[in-house]
Amino acid sequence: DGGITQSPKYLFRKEGQNVTLSCEQNLNHDAMYWYRQDPGQGLRLIYYSQIVNDFQKGDIAEGYSVSREKKESFPLTVTSAQKNPTAFYLCASAPGGFADTQYFGPGTRLTVL
Amino acid sequence: AQSVTQLGSHVSVSEGALVLLRCNYSSSVPPYLFWYVQYPNQGLQLLLKYTSAATLVKGINGFEAEFKKSETSFHLTKPSAHMSDAAEYFCAVSVSTGTASKLTFGTGTRLQVTL
Repeated sequence: DGGITQSPKYLFRKEGQNVTLSCEQNLNHDAMYWYRQDPGQGLRLIYYSQIVNDFQKGDIAEGYSVSREKKESFPLTVTSAQKNPTAFYLCASAPGGFADTQYFGPGTRLTVL
Repeated sequence: AQSVTQLGSHVSVSEGALVLLRCNYSSSVPPYLFWYVQYPNQGLQLLLKYTSAATLVKGINGFEAEFKKSETSFHLTKPSAHMSDAAEYFCAVSVSTGTASKLTFGTGTRLQVTL
């Protein structure tokens, strides 16, 4: 089945530790996205990538980093510089054209203790 | 800049009643608009999408939305609510960044369906 997988589903980390969230897609999509979801705030864009080896900052990139070495993979690292990392993180992908539908993964809930 | 506003963070309806979830957009160019649904602790699923082909858009699970340019609205409706419709619903507008699309989301409306 084609789709987007995110792992792990739940992640617990101590304050000050970097953590990497995985996102993989087998839809052959060019574009991939990372969003952060907090209660009552909708989804906010962290980073996006239109093509391999290229990515751009979204609206709330501070404290996060990404890489896009393969078309299928777009991992997100939450660094110790992110002041409030506890949130639900969603990865999405799209074919790559304007107004394309974005398809979402199941999400990773990160809790920093 | 494009944006969307969802009126009402929580909406409660009885099973079998009409569902109406409101979304107003702001855009300097003709927008592309989306409605997504999210069940608890899951990702988002596309309900429907407006791309200027028709003002009344039919989606999955019996939902539809009507694009009204004069009112800058894209409200989501369903004639008869079912218990399984209880979820959070997000309206989004597509912003062009060149070749890829970026979505700007509203803050969401949580739909409760009661017996």
